[in-house]
Amino acid sequence: KAGVTQTPRYLIKTRGQQVTLSCSPISGHRSVSWYQQTPGQGLQFLFEYFSETQRNKGNFPGRFSGRQFSNSRSEMNVSTLELGDSALYLCASSLSAGGLGEQFFGPGTRLTVL
Amino acid sequence: EDKVVQSPLSLVVHEGDTVTLNCSYEVTNFRSLLWYKQEKKAPTFLFMLTSSGIEKKSGRLSSILDKKELFSILNITATQTGDSAVYLCAVGMNYGGSQGNLIFGKGTKLSVKP
Repeated sequence: KAGVTQTPRYLIKTRGQQVTLSCSPISGHRSVSWYQQTPGQGLQFLFEYFSETQRNKGNFPGRFSGRQFSNSRSEMNVSTLELGDSALYLCASSLSAGGLGEQFFGPGTRLTVL
Repeated sequence: EDKVVQSPLSLVVHEGDTVTLNCSYEVTNFRSLLWYKQEKKAPTFLFMLTSSGIEKKSGRLSSILDKKELFSILNITATQTGDSAVYLCAVGMNYGGSQGNLIFGKGTKLSVKP
């Protein structure tokens, strides 16, 4: 069974631009969660989608948004990029919504904002 | 606010040593505790614990949960250089709100010297 895939793997943008990241969950998984990982803050929750509905949203500004499609693939968008948005963005999929089971992580997208 | 605290933050040992990593938590609606291993890529799942006192074992790794004292330990015996990684502890909740359904600790960075 294929794992979680994320595209692109690496991205370099400049301040003020916007970016869209994509995540394809494990087949059959309907829950997708997004995290931002930085050396200082560790893994911080961005949002969770289940069956195309956003279930939870973390404490991030409105520049961070996401959506999920009917095939469970998810995208997240960051508008008006800031230097502090440089991070590893991880998505994780699970069978169930909420903390009901283990989450399986994709390889991440490394975003660098110059 | 819900939180997960791991200790120590970093650890250096020699091959063959046994190590114990600690994870304590203060959360509402606890559902599960998970351990992940992260090398220079996405976290990979190790264990999920839901019941107190039942040890989970996989090769040289084992983990146990104490729901009364609100902590878990991860033991690694006969360490090898391939065990060098950041070990993440996460707590799953029934409903996490803005922190999400899975709250992560900052991790313990383990370095195993030959």
